[in-house]
Amino acid sequence: SQTIHQWPATLVQPVGSPLSLECTVEGTSNPNLYWYRQAAGRGLQLLFYSVGIGQISSEVPQNLSASRPQDRQFILSSKKLLLSDSGFYLCAWSAGLMASYEQYFGPGTRLTVT
Amino acid sequence: AQTVTQSQPEMSVQEAETVTLSCTYDTSENNYYLFWYKQPPSRQMILVIRQEAYKQQNATENRFSVNFQKAAKSFSLKISDSQLGDTAMYFCAFVFTGNQFYFGTGTSLTVIP
Repeated sequence: SQTIHQWPATLVQPVGSPLSLECTVEGTSNPNLYWYRQAAGRGLQLLFYSVGIGQISSEVPQNLSASRPQDRQFILSSKKLLLSDSGFYLCAWSAGLMASYEQYFGPGTRLTVT
Repeated sequence: AQTVTQSQPEMSVQEAETVTLSCTYDTSENNYYLFWYKQPPSRQMILVIRQEAYKQQNATENRFSVNFQKAAKSFSLKISDSQLGDTAMYFCAFVFTGNQFYFGTGTSLTVIP
């Protein structure tokens, strides 16, 4: 069966510090991968998605970047965090164009920028 | 542009009763998928139910069922025999390619004992 991992679960970082959140998927190959941010327990904002290694699409211009160094690894980064980067970050995967399209989510990372 | 609208920010229901959560969407696509996700206090997003737009039959998963009205672009979720564990935020979502989901803003459901 497929599983998705995210770490760390919680993170408190000062303004101006770097960020690296990691997401890995097990039990599947060539997944589509996604990073979302959820502010204040409300809707999900798609930040990045990837359909393959090294292929990253950005949805919203921001202080963040994403990379996919391996097939089942997705990393969210920032060189200098802003207060507005605080939120709950969710990674998700889906099986791709020929599958049923549903996305499966990781447990999330709660980021607080102080 | 694709949009998903959930017009009920908060709802409550008595335990064992039935509740319906509303969702409307806007798209010019003909083939797409619709989903309801549940986010309990743990914040883990859990897939509740899926509906393919080409299927006329409404999807059902145990106590959860949908009322899919394609012409009206409406996709409501009915929860029967509500349980305390159903207390969560519920998100409606829409996708017409494998790449990008469109989520609604969510409905916070509280089941009252």
